[in-house]
Amino acid sequence: KAGVTQTPRYLIKTRGQQVTLSCSPISGHRSVSWYQQTPGQGLQFLFEYFSETQRNKGNFPGRFSGRQFSNSRSEMNVSTLELGDSALYLCASSPGTSGIQETQYFGPGTRLLVL
Amino acid sequence: GDSVTQMEGPVTLSEEAFLTINCTYTATGYPSLFWYVQYPGEGLQLLLKATKADDKGSNKGFEATYRKETTSFHLEKGSVQVSDSAVYFCALSDRHDYKLSFGAGTTVTVRA
Repeated sequence: KAGVTQTPRYLIKTRGQQVTLSCSPISGHRSVSWYQQTPGQGLQFLFEYFSETQRNKGNFPGRFSGRQFSNSRSEMNVSTLELGDSALYLCASSPGTSGIQETQYFGPGTRLLVL
Repeated sequence: GDSVTQMEGPVTLSEEAFLTINCTYTATGYPSLFWYVQYPGEGLQLLLKATKADDKGSNKGFEATYRKETTSFHLEKGSVQVSDSAVYFCALSDRHDYKLSFGAGTTVTVRA
């Protein structure tokens, strides 16, 4: 099975712009989660989608949003970029039906640099 | 709320040395526990997991035992290799919300 794929792998934007990141989960997985990784804050949960519905959301401002399509692919969008949004954005997928025992499988991430 | 505390790094070892990375957690319920590894420039890979008390997860020579009485999930490997150099993250999943809570990560460097 192909793993989780994320595009693009690298992105450079300037303050005030917006950005869209894409994630394709493992075939058959219906849950997609997004995490932000920074040296200062570590790995922080952004949100989780299942069957096109957001089931859970982390503590991030409304500038961070996401969606999921009927084929389980997901996108996240960050509007009005700030310097502090520079980070590695990781997407993870899982079946989404077995609760806390499920393993989340991560993609390689998209590295975003905001100048 | 849920939280994971890992030992501070970085950790530098010689090849064939014994590795221990301490991990303790706080959770409201009975979480599942995970160790993930991140190699330079890559995403996270699952190393091992345990879903109930006294379970032992193992993979690639690494082991960790879910200790409910001490709320711990320490990672161990008996003989490390240079290829084990990476950042190791302890994580937990609780409350059926498909959210992983991570520790800060421990950077391990193994010298030949």
